[in-house]
Amino acid sequence: AQRVTQPEKLLSVFKGAPVELKCNYSYSGSPELFWYVQYSRQRLQLLLRHISRESIKGFTADLNKGETSFHLKKPFAQEEDSAMYYCALSPANSGGSNYKLTFGKGTLLTVNP
Amino acid sequence: DGGITQSPKYLFRKEGQNVTLSCEQNLNHDAMYWYRQDPGQGLRLIYYSQIVNDFQKGDIAEGYSVSREKKESFPLTVTSAQKNPTAFYLCASSFDSREAFFGQGTRLTVV
Repeated sequence: AQRVTQPEKLLSVFKGAPVELKCNYSYSGSPELFWYVQYSRQRLQLLLRHISRESIKGFTADLNKGETSFHLKKPFAQEEDSAMYYCALSPANSGGSNYKLTFGKGTLLTVNP
Repeated sequence: DGGITQSPKYLFRKEGQNVTLSCEQNLNHDAMYWYRQDPGQGLRLIYYSQIVNDFQKGDIAEGYSVSREKKESFPLTVTSAQKNPTAFYLCASSFDSREAFFGQGTRLTVV
């Protein structure tokens, strides 16, 4: 079974402060991890995926297989970062055998001025 | 405008009735998904399909049914067996388990 856990339902920080949204996963095989974001009145959309190893809107996330974590970090939060963030897991594509995409319960980030 | 389209945006159903939610995509994606989004519950997977004429149960499939007769379409039927159908339903599609693209959602209310 594959499972994604986001321990914080709500996270509130001040503008300019560092932010870290936690994500832990459970999967017996090789996973692919994602962070999705949903801004107010917008569709859910991909923020970043671990294999890309890139920074999007100042956010980064590193896959730690030892701790089975994929925490999302940003050194200086901005008010426009306020949104719902979801961590997601899919089996790593190996011949296209399993596309099951599982989400965590989400963390609502509020960045205060 | 390419993308994934869900209809209708709002749907009302009487208790005991079946209702079908539409999901269409023109992205040529193989995989399609249905999720249910409830406050505090995140997105829970109902059904997913990796290819035409094939689909798998997700984590909360009871009371739901799907079909995948065409690559572009993945309708979800909420049956009378679903005990608590009032929710926000999201459809998504992806190519090869990479980025998933989501529809705008359908809000179903049982009256």
